[in-house]
Amino acid sequence: AQSVTQPDIHITVSEGASLELRCNYSYGATPYLFWYVQSPGQGLQLLLKYFSGDTLVQGIKGFEAEFKRSQSSFNLRKPSVHWSDAAEYFCAVGESGRALTFGSGTRLQVQP
Amino acid sequence: DTAVSQTPKYLVTQMGNDKSIKCEQNLGHDTMYWYKQDSKKFLKIMFSYNNKELIINETVPNRFSPKSPDKAHLNLHINSLELGDSAVYFCASSQGLAGAYNEQFFGPGTRLTVL
Repeated sequence: AQSVTQPDIHITVSEGASLELRCNYSYGATPYLFWYVQSPGQGLQLLLKYFSGDTLVQGIKGFEAEFKRSQSSFNLRKPSVHWSDAAEYFCAVGESGRALTFGSGTRLQVQP
Repeated sequence: DTAVSQTPKYLVTQMGNDKSIKCEQNLGHDTMYWYKQDSKKFLKIMFSYNNKELIINETVPNRFSPKSPDKAHLNLHINSLELGDSAVYFCASSQGLAGAYNEQFFGPGTRLTVL
């Protein structure tokens, strides 16, 4: 069965600093990988997704993620964090015909 | 225009009551989902419908009964509510079966509190 691990429950960074959120997955075949963001009181919004091809994918709001098969990882990065990036971030893995399996989320706090 | 909408946004009720949450999408998608997010923010799939037919039914108590009158609507009815049902329930939709390359669009969530 597929699973997703987000080892960091809570991360605090200063505004303008770089960010990396970790995500590790367990899945037998080539995974479909996603990052979603949930702002307080809101639903989830897709940041980016990986299916195949270039292992570095670009998303919205200046985010990118890199798929590393050897490490079973799909870490999310942003070079310079803005205060509006404070939110909950979810990594998810999918397989055809099934709903997504989400990680437990990482809460990002941004300090001025 | 709201793509995926849910009503109500908040629902507070007593144990043992029966309640419904409604979901509508105007994206023309043929697949809809219900997810439950618990107090620790963990999101778990409950049900999925494709063209009004149930295709995913995870281990969910029989007290939960989804109903899809048409492709644009997926309602969730809960009987005999229990304290453990308190959570945020998210509706989502996609074109085609998700988990692959089809993006899921999420509603704003319904926060259910059972007293």
